[in-house]
Amino acid sequence: DVKVTQSSRYLVKRTGEKVFLECVQDMDHENMFWYRQDPGLGLRLIYFSYDVKMKEKGDIPEGYSVSREKKERFSLILESASTNQTSMYLCASRPSTENTEAFFGQGTRLTVV
Amino acid sequence: AQTVTQSQPEMSVQEAETVTLSCTYDTSESNYYLFWYKQPPSRQMILVIRQEAYKQQNATENRFSVNFQKAAKSFSLKISDSQLGDTAMYFCARPYNTDKLIFGTGTRLQVFP
Repeated sequence: DVKVTQSSRYLVKRTGEKVFLECVQDMDHENMFWYRQDPGLGLRLIYFSYDVKMKEKGDIPEGYSVSREKKERFSLILESASTNQTSMYLCASRPSTENTEAFFGQGTRLTVV
Repeated sequence: AQTVTQSQPEMSVQEAETVTLSCTYDTSESNYYLFWYKQPPSRQMILVIRQEAYKQQNATENRFSVNFQKAAKSFSLKISDSQLGDTAMYFCARPYNTDKLIFGTGTRLQVFP
């Protein structure tokens, strides 16, 4: 089975802290994604990576950066956490084949206080 | 603009009954894929069903089927014989720019005994 693992299910951080959310996939997928999920807004794409060291901004990249040094690992970085970044964060991976679905991690509920 | 619209924020159904969740989308492509995802309260997002646009036949997976109306750009999900385990958020999604996935805002389905 494809496995996408996020390093934490729950995180509580203070305003201004630098926060790292880690995601690892075990299926050698080229594409990896970070989404933010908020009630009534669905899933919004923060960043997308299509290869090692390659990244593309999604719809809401402000306040976030990413790192992909190895194919299996995609990290989301909140440079200076703010309360409006309190949310559910979902990592996903997907092969570069149009008809395949994305596989998701279990999500990280981040609370910034 | 690439959009996916789910107009029903919440739905409820009695166990063993049938329920239909709506999804419409925007695209200028002639061939593409569409997906329905389920996110149970445990939060792991999983694929329910997929549809390829050039196929006339509606996809079916056990109790889950779609009503795909290409001209109307409509992709609804029908759940037959609803079970308590079907209680979840359901998201409609489609790829864009080959690799990314865009999601609707979701429908929260509650199945009552």
